[in-house]
Amino acid sequence: AQSVTQLGSHVSVSEGALVLLRCNYSSSVPPYLFWYVQYPNQGLQLLLKYTSAATLVKGINGFEAEFKKSETSFHLTKPSAHMSDAAEYFCAVSSNTGNQFYFGTGTSLTVIP
Amino acid sequence: DAGITQSPRHKVTETGTPVTLRCHQTENHRYMYWYRQDPGHGLRLIHYSYGVKDTDKGEVSDGYSVSRSKTEDFLLTLESATSSQTSVYFCATETDRGRLGLEGYTFGSGTRLTVV
Repeated sequence: AQSVTQLGSHVSVSEGALVLLRCNYSSSVPPYLFWYVQYPNQGLQLLLKYTSAATLVKGINGFEAEFKKSETSFHLTKPSAHMSDAAEYFCAVSSNTGNQFYFGTGTSLTVIP
Repeated sequence: DAGITQSPRHKVTETGTPVTLRCHQTENHRYMYWYRQDPGHGLRLIHYSYGVKDTDKGEVSDGYSVSRSKTEDFLLTLESATSSQTSVYFCATETDRGRLGLEGYTFGSGTRLTVV
């Protein structure tokens, strides 16, 4: 089965600083990879997805992620954190058949004024 | 949120009682999923459906059943609720796979279930 590992359950950054949220996946074949964001008391929203078209993927709200096959990573970055970025972020990978997604345990991002 | 409605939004129930959660979508999406979200575990798949009357188990299906008699409705039933099923339950849908394959999920707002 596929799996994802998110390093760091809590990340704090200062407003204006670089955001880096880490995600590593395990997959025997090139997977589909996703990042979702969850604001308090809400469902998850799709930030961006990798589907093999390009290794650098740009998403909403200024986020982007780079697929690195050699490192089996799909880290999420944003050059300058904003207070509104405070949320929980989930990395997900699809199964080989695409019938199931496997989610990481999430990283809670705090932005310090 | 792409017309996904979960009901109820909150529910408190007693151990041993049956509970049914409803997911209703207006987007005519083919695929529907039920996940539970628990601290330290992220989201775990309970059951999913790839069409009317076509369902399959996810990784944490024990104690749960589902039904999909119409494209728009996906019901999750806890046959006999236990305290370990206290969780936040999310429904998700996915449209038919597009040119680039998987499109990703659209999520409902969740149902917070407490079993006492």
